Amino acid sequence: DAKTTQPPSMDCAEGRAANLPCNHSTISGNEYVYWYRQIHSQGPQYIIHGLKNNETNEMASLIITEDRKSSTLILPHATLRDTAVYYCIVRRTASKLTFGTGTRLQVTL
Amino acid sequence: GAGVSQSPRYKVAKRGQDVALRCDPISGHVSLFWYQQALGQGPEFLTYFQNEAQLDKSGLPSDRFFAERPEGSVSTLKIQRTQQEDSAVYLCASSSPFRGQVYNEQYFGPGTRLTVT
Repeated sequence: DAKTTQPPSMDCAEGRAANLPCNHSTISGNEYVYWYRQIHSQGPQYIIHGLKNNETNEMASLIITEDRKSSTLILPHATLRDTAVYYCIVRRTASKLTFGTGTRLQVTL
Repeated sequence: GAGVSQSPRYKVAKRGQDVALRCDPISGHVSLFWYQQALGQGPEFLTYFQNEAQLDKSGLPSDRFFAERPEGSVSTLKIQRTQQEDSAVYLCASSSPFRGQVYNEQYFGPGTRLTVT
């Protein structure tokens, strides 16, 4: 599975949009982009995934560039409960997830 | 239950002891995964079951690690002769592929924190 690159940490003010970038320049045509997050002392939680089109659900939006070499996860109105480590994962098979070190998002008042 | 459950939540073992960690997946979920998460790191894959068949055990770090899922539901991860480097959070996840949906999300349990002293 392709390797991803994320900034180690980001801050966001509560109520503002949090935009988390991810580079996956070696992504293959049949690989999806997945986002998970892990709140302290909990297991990872699925957020969203996409192939080439932008996706939106009740938690977030996923914007994938046209060349698919990068993507951005958008939390439209961040709250303190969104403080977590966010993992961007590129995945080919339906089996294992390959996590990196993720982005630690701190939402502040 | 509504989600994946794991027990115990915390385990302290003396070096050399054997431990067994239990995972109860979401009812009806076919696939079950084990991951190991060291402090400050992302989870790392250990092994994968589809029903009772262990299809991938490439992530198990040594032959001291053994996993089973004999009836295709509950799974146990066993670590023999524990070492200090085994100290980590062990996460279990389950998923259920639907017809036509290849890339499906995994639902994680809260993990078992193992400390080897």
